[in-house]
Amino acid sequence: DIQMTQSPSTLSASVGDRVTITCRASQNIGTWLAWFQQKPGKAPKLLIYKASNLQSGVPSRFSGSGAGTGFTLTISSLQSDDFATYYCQQYDSNSVTFGQGTKVEIK
Amino acid sequence: QVQLVQSGAEVKQPGSSVKVSCKASGGTFSSYGLNWVRQAPGQGLEWLGGMIPISGKVNYAQNFQGRVTITADESTSTATMELSSLRSEDTAIYYCASATGWNFLCAYWGQGTRVTVSS
Repeated sequence: DIQMTQSPSTLSASVGDRVTITCRASQNIGTWLAWFQQKPGKAPKLLIYKASNLQSGVPSRFSGSGAGTGFTLTISSLQSDDFATYYCQQYDSNSVTFGQGTKVEIK
Repeated sequence: QVQLVQSGAEVKQPGSSVKVSCKASGGTFSSYGLNWVRQAPGQGLEWLGGMIPISGKVNYAQNFQGRVTITADESTSTATMELSSLRSEDTAIYYCASATGWNFLCAYWGQGTRVTVSS
């Protein structure tokens, strides 16, 4: 199975900060990488698919980049609504895997 | 846009099985992938398996091979996940999530079904 390693596991930031979360795949997955936001008690919400494509309705402060084994989710200016847990997902192979999550906390 | 509605919460005895259903509306049911993902209390997301109904292709995560079965009824646009030989560690919220095409992207999510395994 392809392993996905996310970092950091926790991130403390302030409103207005630029935030970057990294996801690394154990093998080449092309651009078959998605990013999700999850808030407590809610289902995950798709933010980015195919590494860099913004899902409809998602604010433009979210962006994704990368290909192969290294990927990044960037929030250009953190808003109060963005404090949540973020996950990456690879969907290249016949077996899907998620990263372990990054919790973005208020500093 | 696809909307997914899951069946209600379940409480099960260890060693038994549970079936969770997921009814889809919007889009063409058979033409997009359908995944099952779970989340144990305080933990991350774990993929159990997925299927693409139009192709009959079903893939299971290695950790759940032999214990999980995913089926789909195209006539009712309903997918079902059955997990057997339940143990306390299977206590979790189980989600179905659909793709936007013939892949296993988790684009749209159901509301989740809480499964509690307890004697």
